[in-house]
Amino acid sequence: AQSVAQPEDQVNVAEGNPLTVKCTYSVSGNPYLFWYVQYPNRGLQFLLKYITGDNLVKGSYGFEAEFNKSQTSFHLKKPSALVSDSALYFCAVRNPSGNTGKLIFGQGTTLQVKP
Amino acid sequence: ETGVTQTPRHLVMGMTNKKSLKCEQHLGHNAMYWYKQSAKKPLELMFVYSLEERVENNSVPSRFSPECPNSSHLFLHLHTLQPEDSALYLCASSQDHPIPSNTIYFGEGSWLTVV
Repeated sequence: AQSVAQPEDQVNVAEGNPLTVKCTYSVSGNPYLFWYVQYPNRGLQFLLKYITGDNLVKGSYGFEAEFNKSQTSFHLKKPSALVSDSALYFCAVRNPSGNTGKLIFGQGTTLQVKP
Repeated sequence: ETGVTQTPRHLVMGMTNKKSLKCEQHLGHNAMYWYKQSAKKPLELMFVYSLEERVENNSVPSRFSPECPNSSHLFLHLHTLQPEDSALYLCASSQDHPIPSNTIYFGEGSWLTVV
């Protein structure tokens, strides 16, 4: 069965410091991996995805993520955090052999960036 | 803003009421989804429609009844709900045919409170 794990409920960083939000996955075959962000009282916004190709994927708002097949990880990173990055972040996986686009989500990680 | 519009944004209903949530996507997609987001729980996939046919129903109680009259509109009909059904209901869409785009786009959600 497919699954996604985000081991940290909350990540705290100081503004200007690099940030990492962790994600590991379990899926048969080659996964399609996604990151979404949710600001308070809002829906989910797509940040970036990995389908194939370069393991380092760049997305919106200066975020990037690195696909590591041997470690089955897809950690979200940003070189310099902003207070406005504070939000709830979701990692998600899709099995490409599935016949629908449904995503399986992790439980979410709250990112708190302090001035 | 988002290409997926959900109405109403907030709904308070009694346990004996009947109400509906509406979703409209302006992205030309052919697959639509309902997800439920409760506090302290992962996002739960409820229903998937692809080419206007329901292709997935994840053991959702019959008090939730989806309807997809065309590829742009999706409804979630609600009746005799329970207080534990209070949650954020997220609609989403993607392009799954002929070539899946793999990215699912979400609306802003409908906050449902059952009293």
